[in-house]
Amino acid sequence: NAGVMQNPRHLVRRRGQEARLRCSPMKGHSHVYWYRQLPEEGLKFMVYLQKENIIDESGMPKERFSAEFPKEGPSILRIQQVVRGDSAAYFCASSRGNGNEKLFFGSGTQLSVL
Amino acid sequence: GESVGLHLPTLSVQEGDNSIINCAYSNSASDYFIWYKQESGKGPQFIIDIRSNMDKRQGQRVTVLLNKTVKHLSLQIAATQPGDSAVYFCAENMRGNTPLVFGKGTRLSVIA
Repeated sequence: NAGVMQNPRHLVRRRGQEARLRCSPMKGHSHVYWYRQLPEEGLKFMVYLQKENIIDESGMPKERFSAEFPKEGPSILRIQQVVRGDSAAYFCASSRGNGNEKLFFGSGTQLSVL
Repeated sequence: GESVGLHLPTLSVQEGDNSIINCAYSNSASDYFIWYKQESGKGPQFIIDIRSNMDKRQGQRVTVLLNKTVKHLSLQIAATQPGDSAVYFCAENMRGNTPLVFGKGTRLSVIA
């Protein structure tokens, strides 16, 4: 049973470009979470999605950031017009349901903005 | 011993000793708690969890203690090994559709 798959592992973008980060949850999991981590810091919640629905996006900046989890295919975190401050590790996690259960994390995407 | 580094607090222990990593959680309404281990360049890995109706739970070489009175969580690792070197995060969750909230993390460094 494959774990949470994220790609790419590393993504380099120039300022103003778009970044697309992909996440395939574990088999049987319909809940996806995106977190962001800066070096030497904890993980900060960004957005929580179920299939085709955004449940909680309270941690996601209102501008330039968007997330989706379509009926078919992976969840996508999209950052438009990237700036240097967007450089971070972005982790995706999945769970089977929403009832206080552990999240399983992917290996993350390291975004570097030049 | 324990020291506060530039960013993450660091706990240094001798191989074979027991480690205790502490966490003060923020929300008295939280009723589910998890400890994660994160190695360099990897995603967080689940270690052990505990619900608020318990005050202690044991796994293989690890024990989690929960003190709801003072909102304190600890992770005890028995016979610490070099492979235990990593950053450890506690995370808390309230009932319902709320996301896991992570603490700041503690770096565990095992001295062989």
